[in-house]
Amino acid sequence: DGGITQSPKYLFRKEGQNVTLSCEQNLNHDAMYWYRQDPGQGLRLIYYSQIVNDFQKGDIAEGYSVSREKKESFPLTVTSAQKNPTAFYLCASSMYSNQPQHFGDGTRLSIL
Amino acid sequence: KNQVEQSPQSLIILEGKNCTLQCNYTVSPFSNLRWYKQDTGRGPVSLTIMTFSENTKSNGRYTATLDADTKQSSLHITASQLSDSASYICVVSAEYSGGSNYKLTFGKGTLLTVNP
Repeated sequence: DGGITQSPKYLFRKEGQNVTLSCEQNLNHDAMYWYRQDPGQGLRLIYYSQIVNDFQKGDIAEGYSVSREKKESFPLTVTSAQKNPTAFYLCASSMYSNQPQHFGDGTRLSIL
Repeated sequence: KNQVEQSPQSLIILEGKNCTLQCNYTVSPFSNLRWYKQDTGRGPVSLTIMTFSENTKSNGRYTATLDADTKQSSLHITASQLSDSASYICVVSAEYSGGSNYKLTFGKGTLLTVNP
């Protein structure tokens, strides 16, 4: 079955540590996105990519970095510069921009 | 500022009953409006997407309506089931630069609990 796979489901970060969240899709979608979800808030866009080797900052990119070396993969790194990283992170993809997005099942990141 | 407001914040109903969730938006220029269902600890799943010219769209027991003049949408759930317990998120898309760029604004969601 086609879909989006995020791993790990749970992740813990120590102070000063960078961590990388994985996102893989086999839907042959061009566009991929990373969102952050906090309790009581709507999803907020971190980064998005419309094509391989190209990505754009979203509304809350500070303290995060991404890469898009392959169409299927869009990993997100939460750097030590992100002072409040505890959240639920969702990866999504769509065939083209402005098309309905398919979401993964998220990674919950916590601080040790 | 583009905003999407959903009401109520939470709702509890009995199994088998109907319910209606509301979404008001101030997003422009409007492109489309989407409803998603998000189960606890899972990613959102698309229910419907409506453009400016569409007033109603159904997906099984889910029916979404759109009034682009008043900038309001509703999601009606018929004959609710326990599995309908989830957060329902309204998302509005604004399109810019002749369609070459767009931005999504997410509502905070309505948490629906269906009790037996």
